[in-house]
Amino acid sequence: QQPVQSPQAVILREGEDAVINCSSSKALYSVHWYRQKHGEAPVFLMILLKGGEQKGHEKISASFNEKKQQSSLYLTASQLSYSGTYFCGTGPQIIQGAQKLVFGQGTRLTINP
Amino acid sequence: EAGVAQSPRYKIIEKRQSVAFWCNPISGHATLYWYQQILGQGPKLLIQFQNNGVVDDSQLPKDRFSAERLKGVDSTLKIQPAKLEDSAVYLCASSITSGGAYEQYFGPGTRLTVT
Repeated sequence: QQPVQSPQAVILREGEDAVINCSSSKALYSVHWYRQKHGEAPVFLMILLKGGEQKGHEKISASFNEKKQQSSLYLTASQLSYSGTYFCGTGPQIIQGAQKLVFGQGTRLTINP
Repeated sequence: EAGVAQSPRYKIIEKRQSVAFWCNPISGHATLYWYQQILGQGPKLLIQFQNNGVVDDSQLPKDRFSAERLKGVDSTLKIQPAKLEDSAVYLCASSITSGGAYEQYFGPGTRLTVT
């Protein structure tokens, strides 16, 4: 089942902070975050695993509440380059050693100067 | 390191015609994914390969879509016959797998327009 992201869209001024949320109705093993700019491929930002392990970029922070099946992505001191659509991908299971992801509908972030 | 390659980048066909997309993953990546992304939505998994075997194809419309990954390297996704609702960007992604969760690397995608 597709995770739900909120908000659907947000507009910020450069330097402001933003939080993007991702919620699932299923128990999760991992949450992935990707950013996609218009007309481009999604780019990996971060993985959060059950148990607390995280992998990703130093300037990106996120949280994963396993009990609530929720994750939040924190963008601080936003820059113009942060603009794009952010997708969370939730991984409820591992099949044959590979992670199957279900992506949310996306959150469109616009950063204005 | 070379990224995921896809071709063609754009394709326009009429409904009921057939079309094929090609993907070459990052060297050494065992897992290959095909996603369909309709405008304004998140990527939807169509099929997932582990080496040359299918791991999941539960959302692949098998009456019209087919995919193969011969020799466990590059892959082809085919649509025959195409419908108007197949208009979307088809993304290929790959990842290293060894029992854990790993980042997926996406290709530039193929934008398909069915008229």
